[in-house]
This record gives sequence, structure tokens and C-alpha cells, in this order.
Amino acid sequence: DSGVTQTPKHLITATGQRVTLRCSPRSGDLSVYWYQQSLDQGLQFLIQYYNGEERAKGNILERFSAQQFPDLHSELNLSSLELGDSALYFCASSWTSGLTDTQYFGPGTRLTVL
Amino acid sequence: AQSVAQPEDQVNVAEGNPLTVKCTYSVSGNPYLFWYVQYPNRGLQFLLKYITGDNLVKGSYGFEAEFNKSQTSFHLKKPSALVSDSALYFCAVRDPITGGGNKLTFGTGTQLKVEL
Repeated sequence: DSGVTQTPKHLITATGQRVTLRCSPRSGDLSVYWYQQSLDQGLQFLIQYYNGEERAKGNILERFSAQQFPDLHSELNLSSLELGDSALYFCASSWTSGLTDTQYFGPGTRLTVL
Repeated sequence: AQSVAQPEDQVNVAEGNPLTVKCTYSVSGNPYLFWYVQYPNRGLQFLLKYITGDNLVKGSYGFEAEFNKSQTSFHLKKPSALVSDSALYFCAVRDPITGGGNKLTFGTGTQLKVEL
């Protein structure tokens, strides 16, 4: 158990809908990262937050947004969902935003868009 | 941008034999390299990392990795494989992003199958 929690574990929804994925980092970790894992794209970085502020952005679609709250938990919002958004979404956390810090991953949320 | 390559989609090894999962990297600056393992329907578990210092890095579950600067490689090894080691292994490199952030850039993954 990495100490990173994600809810829900599974999410099944329809095209055009909006969903929210939640992540709680390890105790004491200030940095949260979101990744998407799909068969065709592999593991792709979406976005990073550090202590409540956006720190880095990857190939995140405009339909997707995220935030990190004062208690350091983070939410990833996915809207106008398309079939291609079906994937496993991981959250990871690290103590700081340093390059040598280890990122610890949560169990993921499996999103299925029908 | 930094990148890593895992040239083998799948590696098969008999239980008790040594295993190697290959990874090569391409970076500008210092390489910060990581190995993760993913079991079915589970998240990514951290195995080990190379930051600096000794080229042989020891990690969890008896795994180790050898950093080779001249060959730009960071191969994952274990002296004696177990059936329970069967999983998907990812090599990753820490990739700084303008503005102070960073990310992990992952390889495509190598499926390890350990057979009796």
C-alpha cells in the first residue's frame, strides 16, 4: 500500500457526461501528479500540482481540469466525455516537487465511457 | 525532452533463473531513473531509483538495477526469478518542465512472465 488513495475504483458513464476523480496524497506529500494509462498511448502525464498551485501541464485536454485543495487532496474533472477517454487514471504524490523525489502511485480509477 | 526505451515487449524466464529487463535512456543533464512494477488491476509500485553514486542500485523484493552511463542503460535485474514476479515493468525518467514542475516519462513497459 503506497498511502495514496483514489476514489472511485471504477466509473462507468456515457459519452457527453462529466465525472470527478478524487485523490488523497500520502501524509506529508505536497505534490500531486495525474497520469492516464491507455492501451494506445501508454502512461501519459496530465498535470502536476504543488501545495495548491498548478506546477506543470502535460498533454491534458481542454475538457479536463484539475485542482488541489487546501487539505492537499486533488480532483481531476473530465467533461464532455468521449469513448477515447476510457482509460486508467492514476494519481501519484511526492514530498516536494524535486527531481529526485519518488512518486508514489495510487491504485487508479478505471473509467469506462459507453 | 528526456525519454526511455524498453526494447522488449515481453521477457520469459524460468523460475530460479536470473532475469533482466532492459531499459535505455536519452537525457540532457543528469539522469534520474526509476523502475516501477504493475500487477494486474493494481497501481504502479515503486521498485528502485538511480539518482547518483553507486551504479548498482538495490530495491524492493530483491530487485536491483545497473546504471551504465557509457551505454545509457538502466537494466533491471534479479538473481533468481519467482513466479510471483510476473507483472508489467516500467522504466521511467524524471523530466523537468519549464516553470519548476516535473513529470515521469515512462517506457512502453515490459511484460515479465516467470514460468515453473
